[in-house]
Amino acid sequence: QKEVEQDPGPLSVPEGAIVSLNCTYSNSAFQYFMWYRQYSRKGPELLMYTYSSGNKEDGRFTAQVDKSSKYISLFIRDSQPSDSATYLCAMRSQAGTALIFGKGTTLSVSS
Amino acid sequence: GAGVSQSPSNKVTEKGKDVELRCDPISGHTALYWYRQSLGQGLEFLIYFQGNSAPDKSGLPSDRFSAERTGGSVSTLTIQRTQQEDSAVYLCASSLAGVIGNTIYFGEGSWLTVV
Repeated sequence: QKEVEQDPGPLSVPEGAIVSLNCTYSNSAFQYFMWYRQYSRKGPELLMYTYSSGNKEDGRFTAQVDKSSKYISLFIRDSQPSDSATYLCAMRSQAGTALIFGKGTTLSVSS
Repeated sequence: GAGVSQSPSNKVTEKGKDVELRCDPISGHTALYWYRQSLGQGLEFLIYFQGNSAPDKSGLPSDRFSAERTGGSVSTLTIQRTQQEDSAVYLCASSLAGVIGNTIYFGEGSWLTVV
């Protein structure tokens, strides 16, 4: 079992839809959870960062972490065509030196 | 520039040749990371530098891969005797070190094709 599992999709939604992206993980030591967005032929850019459990909201984006279930989510409200990208979850432990990434979910929002 | 800079952006090389990929991190960032991203795969950690030392080389896939960092700034990833399975995007990232949870910034990658 990989440390971080993420459904690669692709996920296609109409403009204005609510999008839910998810990752599961196996390492209970993970404490720092991130979502990166990657456009085609570009490097990943940090979208959301959450420490430990709980929710964090930033505009149309909400990140949730449920450590008891080892499950993290990213919700996108009122999705836009400009949200079309690959979304990568990433996490690390307190002692870890590197982020461990999921494979990424490709999202397409049609107008 | 303000971001992480990588060169070359694209490289096509023949199987068996050596390649060098360069990363210029954000000024002041002491932590530097190399990742590899293959088609349909997530980012695979290769190596982490803190300053000029590499306390974590656990992700280097074979002894054909090596990396160095000089002056606490520019890093070079070298792949010797390239194989077709080395074809991937090699991403460099940097961050401020010593601050838990600090943001890691990525460059746009070096796209390597081995033919």
